[in-house]
Amino acid sequence: EVQLVESGGGLVQPGGSLRLSCAASGFTFNRYWMSWVRQAPGKGLEWVANIEDDGRDKDHLDSVKGRFTISRDNAKNSLYLQMNSLRAEDTAVYYCARVKTFDVVDYWGQGILVTVSS
Amino acid sequence: EIVLTQSPATLSLSPGERATLSCRASQSVRNYLAWYQQRPGQAPRLLFYDTSNRATGIPARFSASGSGTDFTLTISSLEPEDFAVYYCQQRKRFGGGTKVEIK
Repeated sequence: EVQLVESGGGLVQPGGSLRLSCAASGFTFNRYWMSWVRQAPGKGLEWVANIEDDGRDKDHLDSVKGRFTISRDNAKNSLYLQMNSLRAEDTAVYYCARVKTFDVVDYWGQGILVTVSS
Repeated sequence: EIVLTQSPATLSLSPGERATLSCRASQSVRNYLAWYQQRPGQAPRLLFYDTSNRATGIPARFSASGSGTDFTLTISSLEPEDFAVYYCQQRKRFGGGTKVEIK
């Protein structure tokens, strides 16, 4: 059974940092692209970043470029999102996601809340 | 930049009725369109990818079609668990969603 379990969320002040982690199991992690997708309270879905199966190629949403960095450790079956210079508008539930094909997500984590507020 | 517009924003229907949801792209996306269902308090669930390929475990009452810029998700007869928000997606872009609510 595919499982994606996020951790590392919480309350942080504007300008602060957080590192989200996603523990993957139930599939061959190093064969899949992975993504982070977020959802602000009461709003729709927003793609944040993705990373190639071997970690070499990655892309980020324009509004987070230079502030967020996606990475992975295939030896630990883990995905990460380093978030720096956080802003109020980054407040959202962040989902770890397995990519099936062309950014289509076939498995989602349960999501983790990040709240940026003073 | 491609923009996905979903309509209607809200669809009020009764169980057993047919639901027809639309997703329109600002330019052709060929067949690279996916649909997701999100129930309250849950993560999204993949319904269809590449326009009409049904994901694992999705009931036959769900169907999807379209090409180019106009796409449709149809639920032939609404079950209680189908009342949810539905999103279309093209690569890194999502539509704004259609909420299917009980009338």
